[in-house]
Amino acid sequence: EIVMTQSPATLSVSLGERATLSCRASQSVSSKLAWYQQKPGQAPRLLVYDASTRATGVPARFSGSGSGTEFTLTISSLQSEDFAVYYCQQYNYWYTFGQGTKLGIK
Amino acid sequence: QVQLVESGGGLVKPGGSLRLSCAASGFTFSDYYMSWIRQAPGKGLEWVSYISSSGHSKQYADSVKGRFTISRDSATNSVYLLMNSVRAEDTAVYYCARGGESELRWFDPWGQGILVTVSS
Repeated sequence: EIVMTQSPATLSVSLGERATLSCRASQSVSSKLAWYQQKPGQAPRLLVYDASTRATGVPARFSGSGSGTEFTLTISSLQSEDFAVYYCQQYNYWYTFGQGTKLGIK
Repeated sequence: QVQLVESGGGLVKPGGSLRLSCAASGFTFSDYYMSWIRQAPGKGLEWVSYISSSGHSKQYADSVKGRFTISRDSATNSVYLLMNSVRAEDTAVYYCARGGESELRWFDPWGQGILVTVSS
């Protein structure tokens, strides 16, 4: 099983500031990585797939990068609606999710 | 628009059975892999099972292998999860989600989720 490890577990950032979330795979997943956003009481929403492609309707302030075992989701200028939990997920070999990063207001 | 709607959740006793359903609309159902993903209260996401677009390939997480069965029906555009021998640790919100066309890919969209509670 491929283990996905996200860091940090929690992150506090001020409105308008940049947030950087990390995801590491226990073995290479190539670029087969997605990022999701989940708000309380809601289903997850796809943000990025294939490591760096934004999903339809996702604002340009969200960007993904990386390949192999190291990946990053960057939110360039935080808006109030961005405070949520973010999950990475690999689909190179079956599926596994990271444990999530909770992004809160500083 | 693409939509997934789960049903069939509720309270079930340990050792009991439950069948979840997911009705799909707005896309060509027979072209896509479908998955079930769950989220225990206050916890992260756990992939449970997937079924290929043809229905011939199915995979399960080790935590449910031998107890859960996934199936699909193209006549009704639905995917199912039969949960047998349920345990307390199966308590979670269960989401169905659309995968890729003919291969493993990201999940988009997701249903709204359905709560399954295993308790005596």
